[in-house]
Amino acid sequence: DQQVKQNSPSLSVQEGRISILNCDYTNSMFDYFLWYKKYPAEGPTFLISISSIKDKNEDGRFTVFLNKSAKHLSLHIVPSQPGDSAVYFCAASLGRGSTLGRLYFGRGTQLTVWP
Amino acid sequence: ETGVTQSPTHLIKTRGQQVTLRCSSQSGHNTVSWYQQALGQGPQFIFQYYREEENGRGNFPPRFSGLQFPNYSSELNVNALELDDSALYLCASSLVDSYEQYFGPGTRLTVT
Repeated sequence: DQQVKQNSPSLSVQEGRISILNCDYTNSMFDYFLWYKKYPAEGPTFLISISSIKDKNEDGRFTVFLNKSAKHLSLHIVPSQPGDSAVYFCAASLGRGSTLGRLYFGRGTQLTVWP
Repeated sequence: ETGVTQSPTHLIKTRGQQVTLRCSSQSGHNTVSWYQQALGQGPQFIFQYYREEENGRGNFPPRFSGLQFPNYSSELNVNALELDDSALYLCASSLVDSYEQYFGPGTRLTVT
């Protein structure tokens, strides 16, 4: 039962343009959301996160938007750079603490930024 | 600050064998989680360890087991390997009261 879904397996964007990666979730009890970036032969790297009490979080070129009513979040990368080419995973958490700390991941979106 | 490390990098085993994978936590982190990432899928939660005890398990059978040591390093053991166990196994460390988990590079396990 996939509680976090990334319906676009791939996205291709020209350098300098905006990249928008989307993520949907089904469990309304999720209270924290994270984005990870993964290069080949490396583990996922934490990128940015957002609490369910917020609707936007920004960190440099990366902004995450959360629409709780639609159970949807998105990651915006502006401007996109070739080094951003990687697989992006959306993840969600039910809470902190020893029994709630597991992350639920989507299947990932392969972003390719071309010159 | 030392990041999360895992060993070995790659491993080939035969069906029915047993395997042990190792993980060293990032400095200062007291919680370790293990994930399995099959080809084309996102990481799937196996279990989490805190204070040397298992805290939470995903939908994995008992032949997947683990340990956490006093220095917060961890092992994942898989018995009676099956072909479907072929995957990338990721270890992640964190503080128990933090949402963010920090991943190691993974161990690629191939079962033939």
